[in-house]
Amino acid sequence: SAVISQKPSRDICQRGTSLTIQCQVDSQVTMMFWYRQQPGQSLTLIATANQGSEATYESGFVIDKFPISRPNLTFSTLTVSNMSPEDSSIYLCSVEEVGAFFGQGTRLTVV
Amino acid sequence: ELKVEQNPLFLSMQEGKNYTIYCNYSTTSDRLYWYRQDPGKSLESLFVLLSNGAVKQEGRLMASLDTKARLSTLHITAAVHDLSATYFCAVVDSNYQLIWGAGTKLIIKP
Repeated sequence: SAVISQKPSRDICQRGTSLTIQCQVDSQVTMMFWYRQQPGQSLTLIATANQGSEATYESGFVIDKFPISRPNLTFSTLTVSNMSPEDSSIYLCSVEEVGAFFGQGTRLTVV
Repeated sequence: ELKVEQNPLFLSMQEGKNYTIYCNYSTTSDRLYWYRQDPGKSLESLFVLLSNGAVKQEGRLMASLDTKARLSTLHITAAVHDLSATYFCAVVDSNYQLIWGAGTKLIIKP
C-alpha cells in the first residue's frame, strides 16, 4: 500500500492569505486526488491531478482558488488562495491503488 | 450518476452488542471500500471489496458486498469502546472516482 506524507498537518491562517499543502507519495502514481472535508461532513473531491497535464476540477471548484501542481509522479501541491473562514476544513490528498490511501490531512482554520 | 446512501448516520450502542451499517449504491460498480475516521484524523482503510459475494473480516468488523443488490454491510460483533469512530463507505464509479457515503458516526458506550 502507498504511504503518503502530507504537510502541514494543521495551520491557522489570516483571511486573504494563501496556504500551500504538499503531498509526497513513496511510489509513482498516475493520479492523485485532493479532497475537502468540512466539519461533520463526508469527503468532497476538489480535483484530480495528473502528472504532465492540468488538474481536472469538480463542479464548484476552480483553478484560481485551488491551484494544483503535479511536477512528477510522486508529488503534488494544493494551494488554497485568498482564504476566507468558509475555507476552514480538513484537506486530504489521496492515491488509488486497489483501495484509496490518504495523507494525514491538513486541518486548516481561517481567522 | 452514481449515488451512495449510507445508514444509519448516527448509531449509539452499548458495548457487547452487535450492529450493522448499510451502504447502498445506485448503479453498477465492482469496487467498494470501507474506512474508519477518528476525530481530527485522516481516513484509515478497513476493507477493499472487489467482487460479488466478497466477505472480509478483521477483528470485530466484517464487511460484505452484494453487487447484484448494490449493497454492502459492515457488521460489528460484540462492540467495544475502541470502535467508536465515523465509518465511511466509498464506491468506485465508471470514471474511477470515489463516491462517498455520508458516514456513520458510531458511539459505543461502556
